[in-house]
Amino acid sequence: KNQVEQSPQSLIILEGKNCTLQCNYTVSPFSNLRWYKQDTGRGPVSLTIMTFSENTKSNGRYTATLDADTKQSSLHITASQLSDSASYICVVTAPLKGGGNKLTFGTGTQLKVEL
Amino acid sequence: DTEVTQTPKHLVMGMTNKKSLKCEQHMGHRAMYWYKQKAKKPPELMFVYSYEKLSINESVPSRFSPECPNSSLLNLHLHALQPEDSALYLCASSQGEGPRWTQYFGPGTRLLVL
Repeated sequence: KNQVEQSPQSLIILEGKNCTLQCNYTVSPFSNLRWYKQDTGRGPVSLTIMTFSENTKSNGRYTATLDADTKQSSLHITASQLSDSASYICVVTAPLKGGGNKLTFGTGTQLKVEL
Repeated sequence: DTEVTQTPKHLVMGMTNKKSLKCEQHMGHRAMYWYKQKAKKPPELMFVYSYEKLSINESVPSRFSPECPNSSLLNLHLHALQPEDSALYLCASSQGEGPRWTQYFGPGTRLLVL
C-alpha cells in the first residue's frame, strides 16, 4: 500500500490563479519530504525539501508547508503560469535499518493551467 | 554541468533483442539510481549504486542488468524483455546515498517492447 497519498488526483485552473496541492503520508521514521515537478515524458525536478523541524519552504512561486505532527504537507502555487502544467509529486524519504534511505513516491497531482 | 543525461531518448525493441540504456552525470555525484515509471504512476526504484558498487536491488528480474563502469556512468542492459516492461526508465544521481541529498533526474528513456 502506497504510504504517500496526494490530492486532488488532477486539477485544472486558470492562468494567474493560485492553487494548493495536498500530501498525506504514513511513512515512519521520516527523514525529509520533497516536492518534485515532472513534465510529461521528462524526469522529475526537485522544487523543495523539508526536514522534520521545518514548517515552510519557498522556491519562487512555490511554497511548501509541512506539519510533521499530522503528517501532512501542501504545495501552494501562486499566480500560476501555463508552464506550471505538470505532475507534482510528493516524495518522503525514510532511513533504512541497514543504512541508506528509501524514497516513497506519491501518486502525484496532475495540474493543468489554462488560459 | 548540473544535469543528468540519458541515451537514447526513445527505444523500440523486440523480445529477443539485447539493448542498453546509458546514463551520465558530471556533477561528482557518488550515488546513481535506475527507476522505472509506468504511465500515470510514480517512479519505482530498481537499482542503487553507491561509490560504483551495487547497494540496492529491488528484486528486479534478471533480464535487467545494471552496470556502473565508473563514477560518471551508469548502464542498464536489457535482454529478453516482455511487453509489460515498456515504460519510462529514469536515471538519477545524488551527491551521496543519505537522505539529505537531493536526487537529480535525467529526462528518461521511453522504452517500447514489442
